[in-house]
Amino acid sequence: KAGVTQTPRYLIKTRGQQVTLSCSPISGHRSVSWYQQTPGQGLQFLFEYFSETQRNKGNFPGRFSGRQFSNSRSEMNVSTLELGDSALYLCASSQGQGVNEQFFGPGTRLTVL
Amino acid sequence: AQSVTQLGSHVSVSEGALVLLRCNYSSSVPPYLFWYVQYPNQGLQLLLKYTSAATLVKGINGFEAEFKKSETSFHLTKPSAHMSDAAEYFCAVSGSGGSNYKLTFGKGTLLTVNP
Repeated sequence: KAGVTQTPRYLIKTRGQQVTLSCSPISGHRSVSWYQQTPGQGLQFLFEYFSETQRNKGNFPGRFSGRQFSNSRSEMNVSTLELGDSALYLCASSQGQGVNEQFFGPGTRLTVL
Repeated sequence: AQSVTQLGSHVSVSEGALVLLRCNYSSSVPPYLFWYVQYPNQGLQLLLKYTSAATLVKGINGFEAEFKKSETSFHLTKPSAHMSDAAEYFCAVSGSGGSNYKLTFGKGTLLTVNP
């Protein structure tokens, strides 16, 4: 089985712009979660989608949003970028039921200038 | 709310020595616990998980962890370190019920293996 894929792998944006990141889960997985990783705050949960519905949400401002499509692929969007949004954004997929065993993608490195 | 504390942001061992990475959790309900490893410029890879079955959990690459409820701990060990074990290690706890799919991570422990 192919693993979790994330595109693009690297992004450079300027303050005020918006960005969309994409995640394709492992085939058959219905849950997709997003995490932000920074040196200062570590790994922080953004949100989780299951069958196209947001099931869990972390403590991030409304500038961070996401969605999931019928094929379980997910996108996250960050509007009005700030310097502090520079981070590695990780996507994880899981079956969505039973034990939460999540499989992570390689991440998208976002740099905001 | 769940939380995880990893003692020691940096652990250095010699090749062949015992690896011990510490993790303590806080949870109001029996938790699911995980250890992940992250190599430079890569995502996280699951090493092992505790799901309320056996308290001693064996994972990949020779790692294991023991769940101790009385100590609220889930320390990761490996009897003999290898150079390829050098990476950052994260302990995580999942929520319960509807929050089961939200992972809360510790700050991570960077493992250095010296020849």
